[in-house]
Amino acid sequence: SAVISQKPSRDICQRGTSLTIQCQVDSQVTMMFWYRQQPGQSLTLIATANQGSEATYESGFVIDKFPISRPNLTFSTLTVSNMSPEDSSIYLCSVDLAGSYEQYFGPGTRLTVT
Amino acid sequence: KNQVEQSPQSLIILEGKNCTLQCNYTVSPFSNLRWYKQDTGRGPVSLTIMTFSENTKSNGRYTATLDADTKQSSLHITASQLSDSASYICSTDSWGKLQFGSGTQVVVTP
Repeated sequence: SAVISQKPSRDICQRGTSLTIQCQVDSQVTMMFWYRQQPGQSLTLIATANQGSEATYESGFVIDKFPISRPNLTFSTLTVSNMSPEDSSIYLCSVDLAGSYEQYFGPGTRLTVT
Repeated sequence: KNQVEQSPQSLIILEGKNCTLQCNYTVSPFSNLRWYKQDTGRGPVSLTIMTFSENTKSNGRYTATLDADTKQSSLHITASQLSDSASYICSTDSWGKLQFGSGTQVVVTP
C-alpha cells in the first residue's frame, strides 16, 4: 500500500494569489496524479506528473494555471495560480503502484478562494 | 456528459439496515470497475475492484456486483453501521484512464 500526505490540509486565499500544494508518498512511485473535486461533482484529473519529465495535462487544464513539479519519486507539488473563486475546490494527490490496480489518494487540500 | 452516473445522489438509512447503490456507465471498453468510500475531509479509499469478467466481489459488509452486458454495477451495504456514513464513488478504469461518478452520499442514523 501507499501512504500519502498533503500540505496544507486547507487554506483560505484571496483572489489573484497563488497556492502551492505539496504531496509526499511513503514509497517511490513512477506516476503521481493531481485531481480536483468540486462540491457535488466527480473527481476530475488535472494532470499526471512523471519524475524527470513535463507533466501531462488533461483537456481544460493548462500549465500556466496549474504548474506542477516532480523533483523525485516520492514528492510532487501543484500550484494553483492567479486564483479566482471558481478554483475553490478540494485538490487530491494520487498514486498507483506498479503491478497493482489499486490507486491511493491523499487526504486532500480544501481550498477556498475569496 | 459524465460517462459514469450514480444513483441515488443521497440516501438516509437506519443503522442495521441494508442499502444498495447504483452505478451506470457508458465507458467501453474498460479493464476494471472500482468502488471507493470517501469520508468527509478524507481522500477516497478503495473498497472493491472488479475486472470486466467478474460478477461480484465482497469486502466485509460491502458487496459489489457488475453486469458488463447492461453496463451496471451496484454496491450493497449489509447491516449498516454509523461509520458507513460517507460518499461512495464508482469509477471505471479504461486501461489507466479513470472516470469517476459524482458519488452517493450515505447517511446512517441511529
